[in-house]
Amino acid sequence: GNSVTQMEGPVTLSEEAFLTINCTYTATGYPSLFWYVQYPGEGLQLLLKATKADDKGSNKGFEATYRKETTSFHLEKGSVQVSDSAVYFCALSNYGGSQGNLIFGKGTKLSVKP
Amino acid sequence: GAGVSQSPRYKVAKRGQDVALRCDPISGHVSLFWYQQALGQGPEFLTYFQNEAQLDKSGLPSDRFFAERPEGSVSTLKIQRTQQEDSAVYLCASSIGQGGGQPQHFGDGTRLSIL
Repeated sequence: GNSVTQMEGPVTLSEEAFLTINCTYTATGYPSLFWYVQYPGEGLQLLLKATKADDKGSNKGFEATYRKETTSFHLEKGSVQVSDSAVYFCALSNYGGSQGNLIFGKGTKLSVKP
Repeated sequence: GAGVSQSPRYKVAKRGQDVALRCDPISGHVSLFWYQQALGQGPEFLTYFQNEAQLDKSGLPSDRFFAERPEGSVSTLKIQRTQQEDSAVYLCASSIGQGGGQPQHFGDGTRLSIL
């Protein structure tokens, strides 16, 4: 079946540090891949997406590359800010089956200290 | 409104009571999804609507859970005879089209606590 595994948190970094949050997936076919972010007290927001192999999604300084050979979609940012503190969810969506419902990882909580 | 709106934000009910959760999607969005998010976990799919048609309810955990979207806009998730394990945040999301590549827009959720 389809599943997403992401690194467990919490992750604590100092401001301007480099961030990597690992995400791997298992899926039949060719899924679309997403990173969603949940800031404290707010709802889930789409951060970035990639719909086919080798695509790179990017937004707000965050990047992730769809790697089919390693079934991975790791999230990276070169220099984190305190305002990036949030919970990050990796997710996939398959075109078959349930018309595109999202399958999420468990989430990784990021805390950035000044 | 500009985004997906869910009400109430918080709901406390006694075990055995029925509850109804409302979702008002972004105007014109064809697809509507319900998810359940337990504490410290990622959201899990419950059910999917394309306009008024409920095309997938494979994620509903039991027959106590029922969802509807009668006019293809507002949706209601109803839970009958609530149990403590139903305590969770219930998220609604909508997307403009259908298919796996469409980004989903989420509401802030309803936090349900069953005493």
